[in-house]
Amino acid sequence: AQKVTQAQTEISVVEKEDVTLDCVYETRDTTYYLFWYKQPPSGELVFLIRRNSFDEQNEISGRYSWNFQKSTSSFNFTITASQVVDSAVYFCALSEAWETSGSRLTFGEGTQLTVNP
Amino acid sequence: ETGVTQTPRHLVMGMTNKKSLKCEQHLGHNAMYWYKQSAKKPLELMFVYSLEERVENNSVPSRFSPECPNSSHLFLHLHTLQPEDSALYLCASSQDRRGAYEQYFGPGTRLTVT
Repeated sequence: AQKVTQAQTEISVVEKEDVTLDCVYETRDTTYYLFWYKQPPSGELVFLIRRNSFDEQNEISGRYSWNFQKSTSSFNFTITASQVVDSAVYFCALSEAWETSGSRLTFGEGTQLTVNP
Repeated sequence: ETGVTQTPRHLVMGMTNKKSLKCEQHLGHNAMYWYKQSAKKPLELMFVYSLEERVENNSVPSRFSPECPNSSHLFLHLHTLQPEDSALYLCASSQDRRGAYEQYFGPGTRLTVT
């Protein structure tokens, strides 16, 4: 069975600090996909990134960066120079290949990030 | 309209009422989903539709009844709900059911059962 663990329930930082959100996953599949979503107070989950298990190249998008390490089954998310607008709940999610579980997207429990001015 | 829309955004209903939640996606996707998000709990997948056919029902009580008349619209019909059904109900869509495709979510309906 697949599982996603986000051990940090809440993180509070001061604006302009860098912050890393941890995500550890479990899967028996060799082909899988990892995602990060942001849920601001308005409620809508916003898709941030998808990674497949064959691509361990780290990615940077503006102030956001993602570190995928298969050896430790981790897919961590770093926000550089955080801003108040980054305050939200962030979810890491895992999807296995179609052949094993179809479309099931397993979410972690989320990390509430609060960025204080 | 773009993306995934949901109506109403907020709903208060009594336990004997019947109401429906509506979801519409403008992305040309073939798969749609209903999720329940309760306080302090992970997102729970309720139903999956692929090309208007229900392909997954995760042991959801019969007081929740989904309907997918076409690939762009998804409904969740509610009747005789319980207070523990109060939650945020999120609709999502994806290109198809395969796990490689990200899901796009609507803003949710905040449901309160009194």
